[in-house]
Amino acid sequence: DAKTTQPTSMDCAEGRAANLPCNHSTISGNEYVYWYRQIHSQGPQYIIHGLKNNETNEMASLIITEDRKSSTLILPHATLRDTAVYYCIVRWAGSYQLTFGKGTKLSVIP
Amino acid sequence: DSGVTQTPKHLITATGQRVTLRCSPRSGDLSVYWYQQSLDQGLQFLIQYYNGEERAKGNILERFSAQQFPDLHSELNLSSLELGDSALYFCASSVSPDTEAFFGQGTRLTVV
Repeated sequence: DAKTTQPTSMDCAEGRAANLPCNHSTISGNEYVYWYRQIHSQGPQYIIHGLKNNETNEMASLIITEDRKSSTLILPHATLRDTAVYYCIVRWAGSYQLTFGKGTKLSVIP
Repeated sequence: DSGVTQTPKHLITATGQRVTLRCSPRSGDLSVYWYQQSLDQGLQFLIQYYNGEERAKGNILERFSAQQFPDLHSELNLSSLELGDSALYFCASSVSPDTEAFFGQGTRLTVV
């Protein structure tokens, strides 16, 4: 699976959009981009995933650049409950495992 | 609530002992995964089962073993425990190996 690079930490004001970047410059054509988050020591929570098109669900939007070398997770209206570590993971379609890096610690500030 | 149930939530045991962690996947999910999260190693994939068969192995020690039963629940057995095995152990499940996985709340194991 391709490697990802994320900022170590970010702050976001409550009510504003949180934009979390992820670089995956070595991604190949059959690798998906997944986002999970972990609130404190709870189990990781699935957020969204995509291959090449932008994706949106009730939690977030995923924007993938045309060359697929980077992506951005957007939380449209961040709340204090969105404070968590966010993991960007590139996963080959036939891979059974998720390889977690260190992620981005997002702090939502009142 | 992800629908994945792990028991027990907390476990304290002594070095050299053996413990069993249990996982009930979401209804309809055939794949079960085990992950370990320690302070210095982050989240590490251990092993994956699909419909009772082992499908993938990660950084799982020989002292650890797992299985998935016909009713699809899974158990992770940890033996000859060492202080360094203290960690959070997460189970996840998915419909199939190539779909998104949903995690349980974990078992916090403390070896003293």
